[in-house]
Amino acid sequence: GAGVSQSPRYKVTKRGQDVALRCDPISGHVSLYWYRQALGQGPEFLTYFNYEAQQDKSGLPNDRFSAERPEGSISTLTIQRTEQRDSAMYRCASSLGRGPTNSPLHFGNGTRLTVT
Amino acid sequence: EDKVVQSPLSLVVHEGDTVTLNCSYEVTNFRSLLWYKQEKKAPTFLFMLTSSGIEKKSGRLSSILDKKELFSILNITATQTGDSAVYLCAGGSYNTDKLIFGTGTRLQVFP
Repeated sequence: GAGVSQSPRYKVTKRGQDVALRCDPISGHVSLYWYRQALGQGPEFLTYFNYEAQQDKSGLPNDRFSAERPEGSISTLTIQRTEQRDSAMYRCASSLGRGPTNSPLHFGNGTRLTVT
Repeated sequence: EDKVVQSPLSLVVHEGDTVTLNCSYEVTNFRSLLWYKQEKKAPTFLFMLTSSGIEKKSGRLSSILDKKELFSILNITATQTGDSAVYLCAGGSYNTDKLIFGTGTRLQVFP
């Protein structure tokens, strides 16, 4: 596609429910990143994939958060047993090469998650 | 702990003014400094700076990196209302694949 596509755009869920956020990167991009952005803040790193391999998950806040990219293209970020503090904009980004300092990140429009 | 600090947090100017946005960084094994523009939706890439003292330019925007003093500036000349956005800077290192972002500078340009 023309850009990084994320779905859903908005997700409202009740505390305790699981959610799955989807990211479809730019075709041919080998690197895929998940970031979380709180209002008035810059994006905060969650996890990184090189093709299908999860290279870095150091930014995932706790074990309720997980991500996968099984075929090296589409990725899913899953949050289990959601809590109100999980409410934020979740952004996916992809890049052509390995690492954000080799080739710039292209961000998606994000999924706004609200946990009530 | 690695960090990126931007200033000012907010800036209000009139069309035609020139603005300078600041970004200082402390990033272990620093490799590059990146600038992004964020309007209502996704951040869009502006510049990647790796070498000190070499200005990068794109139209009315330009940026430079000082690796000795650990900062970068983003200049916008002859501002237009379309320049209104949050400008984010981020540091990247050789160690990891993550970018450390600052909180951004919110620029508002009034006609």
